[in-house]
Amino acid sequence: DIVMTQSPDSLAVSLGERATINCKSSRSVLYSSNNMNYLAWYQQKPGQPPNLLIRWASTRESGVPDRFSGSGSGTDFTLTISSLQAEDVAVYYCQQYYSTPLTFGGGTKVEIK
Amino acid sequence: QVQLQESGPGLVRPSETLSLTCIVSGDSISGYYWSWIRQPPGKGLEWIGYIYDSGTTNYNPSLQSRVTISVDTSKNQFSLKLSSVTAADTAVYYCAKSIAPSWNYFDPWGQGTLVTVSS
Repeated sequence: DIVMTQSPDSLAVSLGERATINCKSSRSVLYSSNNMNYLAWYQQKPGQPPNLLIRWASTRESGVPDRFSGSGSGTDFTLTISSLQAEDVAVYYCQQYYSTPLTFGGGTKVEIK
Repeated sequence: QVQLQESGPGLVRPSETLSLTCIVSGDSISGYYWSWIRQPPGKGLEWIGYIYDSGTTNYNPSLQSRVTISVDTSKNQFSLKLSSVTAADTAVYYCAKSIAPSWNYFDPWGQGTLVTVSS
């Protein structure tokens, strides 16, 4: 299984400041034949299901604000919220879809400082 | 716009079988991959398995011996059965859609249904 490790477990950021979440996979999720990283990011607000923010490590879903960006390749990935808004308070998860079993990181809780 | 809705008992006795159904609306169930994912209260996400409309399945090895996912294309729904449940199976169970086996990110998700295993 590919183990996904997120850091930190939680972080508190002031409104308008940058939030950075890291995700590390135990094996590369970069598929060499197409040079694509099989990595997605989700946002989960309390009482709601996860919502897909980013796929292929850096492709933002339609309707997702451009303050959310994904980067990284291979085994190391980052989700950045460039200017934290109150509505961004949530738990964020990374997920690899390179191989089954599909696996998620443990989540990072983002709060307002 | 596709919508998913889970349904099933909210309470299951230990050692019995958990059974849930996901009804898909707004799109055909054919041509896509449909997963079950669970989340114990206050914890992270665990993929259970997926099914294609042909009936092809792929299960998480950690649950494979207890899991069956089936599809009913005539009713545009798919189902989960998890046998011999224990308290550790208490979780919110979500159904979700993905496009292809190599494009297995999940969008959208159902709202989820809490299943409690208790006597």
